[in-house]
Amino acid sequence: DAGVIQSPRHEVTEMGQEVTLRCKPISGHDYLFWYRQTMMRGLELLIYFNNNVPIDDSGMPEDRFSAKMPNASFSTLKIQPSEPRDSAVYFCASSPPGGGKLFFGSGTQLSVL
Amino acid sequence: GENVEQHPSTLSVQEGDSAVIKCTYSDSASNYFPWYKQELGKGPQLIIDIRSNVGEKKDQRIAVTLNKTAKHFSLHITETQPEDSAVYFCAPQGGSNYKLTFGKGTLLTVNP
Repeated sequence: DAGVIQSPRHEVTEMGQEVTLRCKPISGHDYLFWYRQTMMRGLELLIYFNNNVPIDDSGMPEDRFSAKMPNASFSTLKIQPSEPRDSAVYFCASSPPGGGKLFFGSGTQLSVL
Repeated sequence: GENVEQHPSTLSVQEGDSAVIKCTYSDSASNYFPWYKQELGKGPQLIIDIRSNVGEKKDQRIAVTLNKTAKHFSLHITETQPEDSAVYFCAPQGGSNYKLTFGKGTLLTVNP
């Protein structure tokens, strides 16, 4: 298995632009998580899905952030409009049935200028 | 929500020495206790985990010990090697959901 695949690896954009991050979880995993990592706040859970349904989005910073999972093999995290304080590494992770062990992608380094 | 504290925040050891990182948590219903290793430019990777019905688990040079009464668990690395240099995170799972709350991380440096 190729593991969790995230794209793009790096994204540089200007304030106000829309940003879309993509994730393909490991086949057979039914949990999908989006995390954000910064030096100041560490690893923060933004949202997680179970069987493509959002279960907990309490970590989503504000309405500018949205996430979707249209099917078991694809999820997106969208920021519109983006702001410099959104600059961070965004990780997607998936987990097999029963939860517990997370398998992380390589992350997307987002820079908002 | 779960409050997680990890100590120390940085740890420097000589190759061959042992390293211990401690994690305290607040949710008494937590039942799953993993440790993750993150190397530069990569996502965190699970290295060892333990469930609440077990007090200790060992996998070659790494081990995790759990004290549920005191609400803390620790990562032990013996015979450290330079490739053990990384950031280590604890991430206890709350009892009522599948959310893992990550500690702030410990930067371990193993000096040759």
